[in-house]
Amino acid sequence: ETGVTQTPRHLVMGMTNKKSLKCEQHLGHNAMYWYKQSAKKPLELMFVYSLEERVENNSVPSRFSPECPNSSHLFLHLHTLQPEDSALYLCASSQDRGGGNTIYFGEGSWLTVV
Amino acid sequence: AQSVTQLGSHVSVSEGALVLLRCNYSSSVPPYLFWYVQYPNQGLQLLLKYTTGATLVKGINGFEAEFKKSETSFHLTKPSAHMSDAAEYFCAVSVSSNSGYALNFGKGTSLLVTP
Repeated sequence: ETGVTQTPRHLVMGMTNKKSLKCEQHLGHNAMYWYKQSAKKPLELMFVYSLEERVENNSVPSRFSPECPNSSHLFLHLHTLQPEDSALYLCASSQDRGGGNTIYFGEGSWLTVV
Repeated sequence: AQSVTQLGSHVSVSEGALVLLRCNYSSSVPPYLFWYVQYPNQGLQLLLKYTTGATLVKGINGFEAEFKKSETSFHLTKPSAHMSDAAEYFCAVSVSSNSGYALNFGKGTSLLVTP
């Protein structure tokens, strides 16, 4: 399944670095999501974009900055992160924001903050 | 708020045995319910979902789940476990906000299959 592609798969960054995670969906969907998956915690919804407009920001610290330049691409810009931000970051997409729609996930980007 | 609770963070079964992974939901309205599977070093893949209609839902890889409103449950089952079923399983409910729906996930259940 290559419907949602994330790069890089692994990233190690220092607390003063600036890096970006990239997501591309090839499904023609109108909604895209960033989720954070940490050990021993449920998946956390971070941001939601619908038709390239950010419609949800679930109290995410400003050191995470999303960008959606078009309906196929989603970025997560990272700066001055903390070690507790180390996690698997999952990008996902769905046809729209309907309740019964399937959300398709990418394979994730493993982030380690040192 | 709509949420799901997965009972048992770890479940171990023998190969060929019945798989039963439990999920209970809380919702004041008819829910949309999902089961996802995550294999090591991979993203989440949809196993099955319940939206409306038939309460017994069949999914991929021989899994099925039954929506029971009276018990607020959506347990996942497979008659005979295979070694390749070892993975993390997540139950989720679709939650409505002003801008539309998104998934709220349970904490996950790790399935171990022993020979």
